[in-house]
Amino acid sequence: DQQVKQNSPSLSVQEGRISILNCDYTNSMFDYFLWYKKYPAEGPTFLISISSIKDKNEDGRFTVFLNKSAKHLSLHIVPSQPGDSAVYFCAASGPTTYTGANSKLTFGKGITLSVRP
Amino acid sequence: KAGVTQTPRYLIKTRGQQVTLSCSPISGHRSVSWYQQTPGQGLQFLFEYFSETQRNKGNFPGRFSGRQFSNSRSEMNVSTLELGDSALYLCASSPLGLGQPQHFGDGTRLSIL
Repeated sequence: DQQVKQNSPSLSVQEGRISILNCDYTNSMFDYFLWYKKYPAEGPTFLISISSIKDKNEDGRFTVFLNKSAKHLSLHIVPSQPGDSAVYFCAASGPTTYTGANSKLTFGKGITLSVRP
Repeated sequence: KAGVTQTPRYLIKTRGQQVTLSCSPISGHRSVSWYQQTPGQGLQFLFEYFSETQRNKGNFPGRFSGRQFSNSRSEMNVSTLELGDSALYLCASSPLGLGQPQHFGDGTRLSIL
């Protein structure tokens, strides 16, 4: 049962253009969403997150959009740079409780972004 | 500030053996979580420890276990190794838990022969 889905395994964009990475989830208990970037032979690096009480969060070139009714989130990278070429993982956690118990962090299978110079 | 440190980086074992992996979190982080990454299944959550107690658990068999020490360092143990346990094992830490961004180590690559 794949609760977080990244349906496109790869994406190729031209340098300077927008990259849009999509992610869908099925578990309505998720209330915190994150994007990670991963280079080969390294651990994932946190990029940006969004709480379910928001629909948009922006950090420099990175913006995450959350559509709760559609159970869909997306990461926009503008402008895309060659150094952005990596695997991007969408992740979700929840429910967030005071004690932190009964939660888990669920990842999508990742999408490989290639930015062409 | 030092990041999350995992040792060893590479490990080769044979079926039936057991293995212990180590993780030192970022100083001040009390939550440590473990993940298995394989080509077919992607990144899967194993468990999370907080204040020396397992607080959350993924869907892995009991052969996978862990513990956390009073200094927040954590170990993960896998007993009776199977070929399918070959994977990259990642550890992550955060100040308070899974509702915050996780800071990952570079992982331990475990190969089962």
